[in-house]
Amino acid sequence: DAGVIQSPRHEVTEMGQEVTLRCKPISGHDYLFWYRQTMMRGLELLIYFNNNVPIDDSGMPEDRFSAKMPNASFSTLKIQPSEPRDSAVYFCASSKAVSVGQFFGPGTRLTVL
Amino acid sequence: SQQGEEDPQALSIQEGENATMNCSYKTSINNLQWYRQNSGRGLVHLILIRSNEREKHSGRLRVTLDTSKKSSSLLITASRAADTASYFCATDGDKIIFGKGTRLHILP
Repeated sequence: DAGVIQSPRHEVTEMGQEVTLRCKPISGHDYLFWYRQTMMRGLELLIYFNNNVPIDDSGMPEDRFSAKMPNASFSTLKIQPSEPRDSAVYFCASSKAVSVGQFFGPGTRLTVL
Repeated sequence: SQQGEEDPQALSIQEGENATMNCSYKTSINNLQWYRQNSGRGLVHLILIRSNEREKHSGRLRVTLDTSKKSSSLLITASRAADTASYFCATDGDKIIFGKGTRLHILP
């Protein structure tokens, strides 16, 4: 298996633009997680899905952020409109259960100018 | 505030020495996990210890859990240059929460 795949790996955009981050989890994993990592706040869980259904989105910072999982092999995290404070590395991870080790993707480094 | 808090924030040791990192948390947990992150990469799962376990081993890794003190430690024995990375603890109680990590640097 190729592992968790994220795209793009790097994204530079201007404030106010829409940003879409993509994730393909490992086949057979029922859980998918989106995290944001910054120096100041560390690694924060934004939202996670079980069988394509959002279970906990309490970490989503505000309404500008939205996440979808239309099928078991694809998820998106969208920021609209983007702001400079959204600059961070965004990770997607997947696992077979919520209380087992997660497999992380390589991350998307987002820079909002 | 963060559930998991690692200490020290940074640690430099000579190759071959043992490295110990600690994690403290605030509320009840189901499991505690340790992850490693190499610079510019995603996190890699190292080991999981359940709340009813006190110690677990995996290769050169030894993890302890003291639920009465709400703390865990990760010991890496006979450190190698390749162990240079950041190490995070993650707890899952009501929520999954990662600490801010310990940056470990192995000196040649």
